[in-house]
Amino acid sequence: GQQLNQSPQSMFIQEGEDVSMNCTSSSIFNTWLWYKQDPGEGPVLLIALYKAGELTSNGRLTAQFGITRKDSFLNISASIPSDVGIYFCAGEGGATNKLIFGTGTLLAVQP
Amino acid sequence: NAGVTQTPKFQVLKTGQSMTLQCAQDMNHEYMSWYRQDPGMGLRLIHYSVGAGITDQGEVPNGYNVSRSTTEDFPLRLLSAAPSQTSVYFCASGRGGSVNTEAFFGQGTRLTVV
Repeated sequence: GQQLNQSPQSMFIQEGEDVSMNCTSSSIFNTWLWYKQDPGEGPVLLIALYKAGELTSNGRLTAQFGITRKDSFLNISASIPSDVGIYFCAGEGGATNKLIFGTGTLLAVQP
Repeated sequence: NAGVTQTPKFQVLKTGQSMTLQCAQDMNHEYMSWYRQDPGMGLRLIHYSVGAGITDQGEVPNGYNVSRSTTEDFPLRLLSAAPSQTSVYFCASGRGGSVNTEAFFGQGTRLTVV
C-alpha cells in the first residue's frame, strides 16, 4: 500500500531549540495534515494544507505543502516542554483518496 | 460539545470472543473512520464511511465489520478476536470534500486479546 516516509523517527532537543521534521511520498497528495499525539490521547490536528506551495503557521508551528505535492515539512520554533509528543504527517489523495499516515516523529524536549 | 467519543477506553478479550467498539460524534460530520495504531507503524485505516448507510474497506479490514445506520454512530465489530488484534483503536470523524480531510480523533480504545 501507499507509504509516507516520515523523518526523523525521534528527536531529543533542549528547550528553546527549533525543530524540523518532514514527510515524503512516492505519490501525489491533495492535502497534507500534521497531527500531534500526547501519551494516552488521540491525535490532534495542528495544521492542514490544501495547495502546493502553501505555507501555514499556527503559533510557533509552521508547515509547508511541497511544490511537487509529494512532501511536506513541519517546523517548531523555540520549543518548550509541552511540545513533547509524537507528531504525525498525513496525506490525502494519491492512488486511494484516503488519509494515509506517516510513522511518526517522537519529540522529547529537555528543560 | 463532546467531539468524538469512544467506549470503552480499555478492554481485555479472550481469543475467539466478539465485541463492539462504540464511536459517536456530535459534529454532524459525514465522514467517519476507524484506525488501529501499533508501535512503529503509525495509524492504519480499517474501515471508513462517507455517510449513513455507506461503508468501505480501508488498508487492514480483515477481522472487522462496521455499519453506519446514523450520522452520529460508527461501531466497529470484532467477530472473533485474535491476539493480532491487540492494538489501540481510534475512531475519527471528518469534514470537507474527501474521505477523511481534517479528521478529528477520539481518545482511543486500548484492546488486549489474550
